[in-house]
Amino acid sequence: QKEVEQNSGPLSVPEGAIASLNCTYSDRGSQSFFWYRQYSGKSPELIMFIYSNGDKEDGRFTAQLNKASQYVSLLIRDSQPSDSATYLCAVQSSSASKIIFGSGTRLSIRP
Amino acid sequence: DAGVIQSPRHEVTEMGQEVTLRCKPISGHNSLFWYRQTMMRGLELLIYFNNNVPIDDSGMPEDRFSAKMPNASFSTLKIQPSEPRDSAVYFCASSLGSTNEQFFGPGTRLTVL
Repeated sequence: QKEVEQNSGPLSVPEGAIASLNCTYSDRGSQSFFWYRQYSGKSPELIMFIYSNGDKEDGRFTAQLNKASQYVSLLIRDSQPSDSATYLCAVQSSSASKIIFGSGTRLSIRP
Repeated sequence: DAGVIQSPRHEVTEMGQEVTLRCKPISGHNSLFWYRQTMMRGLELLIYFNNNVPIDDSGMPEDRFSAKMPNASFSTLKIQPSEPRDSAVYFCASSLGSTNEQFFGPGTRLTVL
């Protein structure tokens, strides 16, 4: 089992709809969770982080964390073509001082 | 702030040659990470440093790969000898603390012929 798992996609969502990206992790002791966005040919950039169970909202983005289910998600409301990118879930390892990245979900917003 | 700086941005070399990738982290950051990204394997952590000391090099694929951080503002990743399967984008990232937000450099696209 991979430490951080994501559906590779592509996930195709119509413009204006809600895009839902999911991530599961295996380390029950993880405390910090991150979502990075990576445009084609560019480097990853952080868009959200979450530490506590529940929801965290930032503009059109909402991160959701459920530690009991070992599940973290990212919702993008009012999806725009500019949201088309690969989204990487990253989870802090409790046994080693590092962050583990998932393989990413490719999101495509169709006009 | 200039962000994380990597050089070169592109490198094309022939199999068997030595390749050296360079990274300057963000000033004040004490953790530095080297990643490799390919379509097949995604983003892989190769090695990371805390306060210039290598902490975890379990991701380094084999002895052909080596990394150094002689001071807080410079790191190198060396591949000797290079092989076609080393072709990938190599990212350097830095952070304040190894489990906090990482800032990525623009990457070096390496092609080994």
